[in-house]
Amino acid sequence: DTAVSQTPKYLVTQMGNDKSIKCEQNLGHDTMYWYKQDSKKFLKIMFSYNNKELIINETVPNRFSPKSPDKAHLNLHINSLELGDSAVYFCASSGRRGTDTQYFGPGTRLTVL
Amino acid sequence: GEDVEQSLFLSVREGDSSVINCTYTDSSSTYLYWYKQEPGAGLQLLTYIFSNMDMKQDQRLTVLLNKKDKHLSLRIADTQTGDSAIYFCAETFGPNNAGNMLTFGGGTRLMVKP
Repeated sequence: DTAVSQTPKYLVTQMGNDKSIKCEQNLGHDTMYWYKQDSKKFLKIMFSYNNKELIINETVPNRFSPKSPDKAHLNLHINSLELGDSAVYFCASSGRRGTDTQYFGPGTRLTVL
Repeated sequence: GEDVEQSLFLSVREGDSSVINCTYTDSSSTYLYWYKQEPGAGLQLLTYIFSNMDMKQDQRLTVLLNKKDKHLSLRIADTQTGDSAIYFCAETFGPNNAGNMLTFGGGTRLMVKP
């Protein structure tokens, strides 16, 4: 059974569009995250979300917004997509606050044309 | 700010040991991690070490932590071609009441030659 899943696996879209990436975890974890991996494989945290408390990496543009309909889901919405948004986006989750290991989803490769 | 650094590339022969090194800056990190990423795949947790430990062994993997020098290493014994991947070290940062966010190194690409 998949622990952390993401859809879609690939997303190709035009500049200026609005898109969403979905993430679900069936681990019963309390905290979920979004990371961005660029073409050089550098991974950067974007958001951490725990019980409606959101921590945002200050470098993330406000075109990006996480939405959590329930504890098992944290979706990533991106408005007005730009070429530089092309990357692989990873969702992750962890258990207890502050200490538990993060488990990652398989990633969503976003290509903005 | 937090910074984690790794060498970019390592090439070894099958059967040899591999040692991947990492340096970090945040001495308050509680845990340090090693993740593996195979081509086109997501991140797989390999192992982690608690900051009050010096060493952790898990089958072919040995993690060494030198807190004084802020140096972390991953040793893979009897390296196999299936170990070829990118290896990321990561440290935790961020307020504990909102979950630990990870700072990743740039990744070390391990190539294992038959």
